[in-house]
Amino acid sequence: QSVLTQPPSVSGAPGQRVTISCTGGTSNIGAGYDVHWYQQVPGRAPKLLIYGNNNRPSGVPDRFSGSKSGTSASLAITGLQAEDEADYYCQSDDSSLSGSVFGGGTKLTVL
Amino acid sequence: QVQLQESGPGLVKPSQTLSLTCTVSGGSISSGSYYWSWIRQPAGKGLEWIGRMYSSGSTDYNPSLKTRVTISVDTSRNHFSLRLTSVTAADTAVYYCARERGGYHVLDHWGQGTLVTVSS
Repeated sequence: QSVLTQPPSVSGAPGQRVTISCTGGTSNIGAGYDVHWYQQVPGRAPKLLIYGNNNRPSGVPDRFSGSKSGTSASLAITGLQAEDEADYYCQSDDSSLSGSVFGGGTKLTVL
Repeated sequence: QVQLQESGPGLVKPSQTLSLTCTVSGGSISSGSYYWSWIRQPAGKGLEWIGRMYSSGSTDYNPSLKTRVTISVDTSRNHFSLRLTSVTAADTAVYYCARERGGYHVLDHWGQGTLVTVSS
C-alpha cells in the first residue's frame, strides 16, 4: 500500500487527453511538499517528466502538464501518442516518514 | 551533463550484505545542494525509495529499511554507496541511484539501474 495513491491503469486513443491522479495526505502533498512525475518505459530507468508540481525539464514536450490542489496532484497528457505508453509515477516528500515517497504507479495504454 | 552508474554484485546470498556503488561523472559529488539517493524496484512492481545522503553528511532512510541501510559518500572517488544488511529474497530488485536536487527534492538524474538477486 503506497502512501501516494494512483490508479493502476489508464488508457486513451491517439490524440486524446488523459489524466493520472495522485492522492496523498496532510503529511505529504497537503503539507505543501512539491509533487514530481516520472515516466518509465519497461526495462529503462525512470525519467523526470514534471517537477515542482507543474514545471517541465528541458526537452519534455508541452503535451505534458502537472497540477496540484490540496492533498492531490494530477498529470495531464494531451495529444496522446503511441510513444507515451509507459508507467507513470508521482513522488513527494513526507514529514511523518522524514523522506520521500512514491505513488504505486499508473500504466498508460495507448489504444 | 551529470551521469550516474551503479556497480556491484548481481547475486547476494540470504543473510549477507548487499553493497552497491554509484559513480558520478560530469560533476563533483561535493558541490551544490544535492542529495545522493537510492531507489529500488522489484520485478513487476513500483518504485520504493530507500534513502538519501546530503552533501553535508546527513541522511534520511525509509523507516521500513532503516535498521538495515547505510548510505555513505566518498568525495575523493566521486561516488556514493549503499549497504543493506541481512538481505532476504524480498530484497531482490533493480537498484537505482539518483541525484536529488535540494529544495525541490526532485530526482533529476538517474543511473540505468542494476539487478540484484538474493539467492543461495
